[in-house]
Amino acid sequence: DAMVIQNPRYQVTQFGKPVTLSCSQTLNHNVMYWYQQKSSQAPKLLFHYYDKDFNNEADTPDNFQSRRPNTSFCFLDIRSPGLGDAAMYLCATSRDRTGRASYEQYFGPGTRLTVT
Amino acid sequence: DQQVKQNSPSLSVQEGRISILNCDYTNSMFDYFLWYKKYPAEGPTFLISISSIKDKNEDGRFTVFLNKSAKHLSLHIVPSQPGDSAVYFCAASAPGAGSYQLTFGKGTKLSVIP
Repeated sequence: DAMVIQNPRYQVTQFGKPVTLSCSQTLNHNVMYWYQQKSSQAPKLLFHYYDKDFNNEADTPDNFQSRRPNTSFCFLDIRSPGLGDAAMYLCATSRDRTGRASYEQYFGPGTRLTVT
Repeated sequence: DQQVKQNSPSLSVQEGRISILNCDYTNSMFDYFLWYKKYPAEGPTFLISISSIKDKNEDGRFTVFLNKSAKHLSLHIVPSQPGDSAVYFCAASAPGAGSYQLTFGKGTKLSVIP
């Protein structure tokens, strides 16, 4: 089945220790997104890639970076995690943004990040 | 400033009855609306959507109604089933350069009681 996969599902890191979350997709979608979702909050878009074009949201902290080496994979790097970065991180994909279908995003199961 | 609001954090409904989940928005530029369902330990999954040129869209037991003048949409589930128990997110999108971006509400947790 075509899907969005996130690894690991649970990640514990220490305050200030860099951490990388990964996402892969078999849908061959050209747009990939990273969201942060804190408890009882709405998912918040951090950035997205349209093919190799990186688009950062204005209020995404510099501490968050992303890489997309190819169509299938996308990584979220948190350079110096703080306690406030503990959250669920969701990866999503969609088809070409020129059509309405692009609004329908397909999500992975998420990675729950704990910062100690 | 929340542009998409789901004011009910939770809702309980008896099996077989109608579930109505509500969503309000403030951005008049939004022209496409979606509902996502999320089970524990899974990512949100797309459920149903509606364009602003329509006021109703139906898919099986799920119907979404849009009232543009009130900036309000609702999701109706009839009849409700225990498997519908999940968190439901309302999301909206505006056209233009940011048209790929979805703005989500905080979600409503639906519990369908057998």
